[in-house]
Amino acid sequence: GDSVTQMEGPVTLSEEACLTINCTYTATGYPSLFWYVQYPGEGLQLLLKATKADDKGSNKGFEATYRKETTSFHLEKGSVQVSDSAVYFCALRQYGNKLVFGAGTILRVKS
Amino acid sequence: DSGVTQTPKHLITATGQRVTLRCSPRSGDLSVYWYQQSLDQGLQFLIQYYNGEERAKGNILERFSAQQFPDLHSELNLSSLELGDSALYFCASSAEGGATEAFFGQGTRLTVV
Repeated sequence: GDSVTQMEGPVTLSEEACLTINCTYTATGYPSLFWYVQYPGEGLQLLLKATKADDKGSNKGFEATYRKETTSFHLEKGSVQVSDSAVYFCALRQYGNKLVFGAGTILRVKS
Repeated sequence: DSGVTQTPKHLITATGQRVTLRCSPRSGDLSVYWYQQSLDQGLQFLIQYYNGEERAKGNILERFSAQQFPDLHSELNLSSLELGDSALYFCASSAEGGATEAFFGQGTRLTVV
């Protein structure tokens, strides 16, 4: 079945450091790919998405590029802030179907 | 605010009891999904309804059931509760279509004591 693998955390960075959270997927078709973020005590929020190969999703300084050849969708940010501390989930979705999530990666940014 | 409303926010109940969690999707969304988030299992898909009909089933226990009503709100019923059912239960909704994202509610935190 479809699956998503994320790098294990927690990831601890200093403010203004560069961030990369790796995400790879296994899917039979051509899924859409998503990054969701969960801030402490809150629900999931969509951070960015990409619907086909080579698409780049971006939002709030975060970016991820849909790489079909490596089945990857790594999340990157050039300069993190303390307010970026959260749990980040990579997910895939086949047409009209459920989301399949990775295990989540905790990001801690210290000032 | 995602537009998806879940009630209640918190629920504490005893083992063996039955509870009902409620979800109101975003206006116009026909699909409703239920997910369970626990420390050991992560985010697990439970069940999906589309316009009142069950569309997909995931790792949902037989003690759990759901339905979607004509006004498109959904309820998740959990019965014969066990300590291990303690988790955060999320509802999400989406319009139908391949690229449409799902919007999540704030979740219901269930604690079974």
